[in-house]
Parts: sequence; C-alpha cells; structure tokens
Amino acid sequence: DAKTTQPPSMDCAEGRAANLPCNHSTISGNEYVYWYRQIHSQGPQYIIHGLKNNETNEMASLIITEDRKSSTLILPHATLRDTAVYYCIVPLNTGTASKLTFGTGTRLQVTL
Amino acid sequence: EPEVTQTPSHQVTQMGQEVILRCVPISNHLYFYWYRQILGQKVEFLVSFYNNEISEKSEIFDDQFSVERPDGSNFTLKIRSTKLEDSAMYFCASKFEGPTDTQYFGPGTRLTVL
Repeated sequence: DAKTTQPPSMDCAEGRAANLPCNHSTISGNEYVYWYRQIHSQGPQYIIHGLKNNETNEMASLIITEDRKSSTLILPHATLRDTAVYYCIVPLNTGTASKLTFGTGTRLQVTL
Repeated sequence: EPEVTQTPSHQVTQMGQEVILRCVPISNHLYFYWYRQILGQKVEFLVSFYNNEISEKSEIFDDQFSVERPDGSNFTLKIRSTKLEDSAMYFCASKFEGPTDTQYFGPGTRLTVL
C-alpha cells in the first residue's frame, strides 16, 4: 500500500470544522484514498473515498490536491460523537481483494 | 441499511481450545475479510476470501487459523488451538466486487484467551 502519514492527534471544538490532513506522496495514478474511523474499539467505519476529484457525502468532504500527494478530510460541524481515530488508507490494487493496511491514524478529540 | 454482523460479541476461552467466530456479510457482497486488533495496537489484516478460496493471507494467518463459508450467508474464522496472544478484537469485513469497492466492517468479536 502507498504509505500514508497523519498527525497523531488533533483537537476540535464542537460545532467547528475538523480538518484532518493526510500525506500520501507515493500514491499511484489509479489508487484511491479511503478514510475510515474507529470509535473506541468498535469496527472501523467507512467515511468516504476518492481518486482525484473532491468528494462529499452526508458524513464528510474529501479534498485531494491536484498532484494527489495529499488529502484532507473535512467534518464540517464536528460533534462529540465524532471523537475517534481517523485512518487515511491507500489500498494497493493488486487484484481485486485489496486488503486495507491501517496505520496509527489521527486521534480526533472533539471538545465542548 | 445493510450491515455486517458478527457473533458472539465477546468470547472467553481457555488456552488450547478451539474457537469459531461467525460473521454474516452484507448479502450481495462477494469478498470477505478478517482483521484483528490487539488492545492498543493497529488493526491488522488476516485473510481475504473470494469464490470459496483464500485470496491473500498475512503472516499472522498460520496453520492454526482457517476460514470457511459454510453456507450462502455465514463466513467463519476458526482458531484451532488458541494461545494467550490470540486475545484481540476480530473484525469481519465484506465488499461487493472490484478493487475500488468499499469494505464494510462488522462490530467485532472480542476474544479473550485465559
């Protein structure tokens, strides 16, 4: 998998936007960027993914730089329930099984 | 919304015993996965399964581990002779098809080996 680098932790005030960065400078042209989060010890929860265009869904927005070497996950109005570890993952497209390799992620703490 | 389910939520077993962890993937999904997370550590890939055979397995997935899709809905992970170090959260995941399809995870089974 393309290596990703994320800050170990971030804080965000409730109601403000949380912007979580990820560097993936070795990404290949056909590799997607995926974001998952894990709340406490629950199963990883899919958030969003993208290739080169910016993406938005009901949970978040994903901004990918033009050179695709970095991306930012945006939670527009963070709530206490968004406190979690957020993982940026670029799966290696070797066949269709495409396992996910989790790093240590960014621990987001949303505070009052 | 369809979701991956796992049973049991918590399994306690004695060292050396066999355990079977069960998963029901999302119904039209074709690829199935097991991951594990030892307390305080990263989520680690164990195995992927497609078309009734293993697609890929990690170094962790040794001869003590096996997977099976015994019927059209269940996907199981068996640990033949559990060790203390097998204590972890085990997560099942599934995806529809294609390299860019999304994997969806179940809530996990906490395995405690005494």
